[in-house]
Amino acid sequence: KQEVTQIPAALSVPEGENLVLNCSFTDSAIYNLQWFRQDPGKGLTSLLLIQSSQREQTSGRLNASLDKSSGRSTLYIAASQPGDSATYLCAVRLSSGSARQLTFGSGTQLTVLP
Amino acid sequence: GAGVSQSPSNKVTEKGKDVELRCDPISGHTALYWYRQSLGQGLEFLIYFQGNSAPDKSGLPSDRFSAERTGGSVSTLTIQRTQQEDSAVYLCASSLVPSSGAETYEQYFGPGTRLTVT
Repeated sequence: KQEVTQIPAALSVPEGENLVLNCSFTDSAIYNLQWFRQDPGKGLTSLLLIQSSQREQTSGRLNASLDKSSGRSTLYIAASQPGDSATYLCAVRLSSGSARQLTFGSGTQLTVLP
Repeated sequence: GAGVSQSPSNKVTEKGKDVELRCDPISGHTALYWYRQSLGQGLEFLIYFQGNSAPDKSGLPSDRFSAERTGGSVSTLTIQRTQQEDSAVYLCASSLVPSSGAETYEQYFGPGTRLTVT
């Protein structure tokens, strides 16, 4: 059974710092990996999607990497801002099975202090 | 609308009552998913619909939970005889099903329905 772990569970940094969020998964047979952002009381906003054949994706100040063989992904946030405060979730999509549902980590709660 | 919509946004119900949660996927998305986000449990998959195929119900926690998708678009998740442990945020997502390697299974999520069973 696929298990996804995110470390740390919570992180607090001063504004302007660069930071890295970590995600690991136990089964490397994935189709893709998505990073999401969730604000309190809100749904999920997709940030980046990395296909299994890709190594990284970038969007603005965000960069996500994928090392499928070691079961790891990182989300790098450059020059953090208070507006980045949210819970960040990573999720992997299975490459087998008809549903191809996402398996989620428990998230990292990020607080960027002004 | 451009995104996935869900209704109601909040629902408070008494233990033992039935509830229905609605999801309107993005137009043209043939795949639809329901997930549940509980305190201490994280986000878990419940059920998947793809076109006219039989749904994948492997994530439903009990037979009190059921879902249907009418006309390949709107979906309703029904919870019968609600229990306090059913309290959670129920999220719906939709995606395309790729027909070529250039497309992806990227899922787009709705804002969720917060269910509270008292």
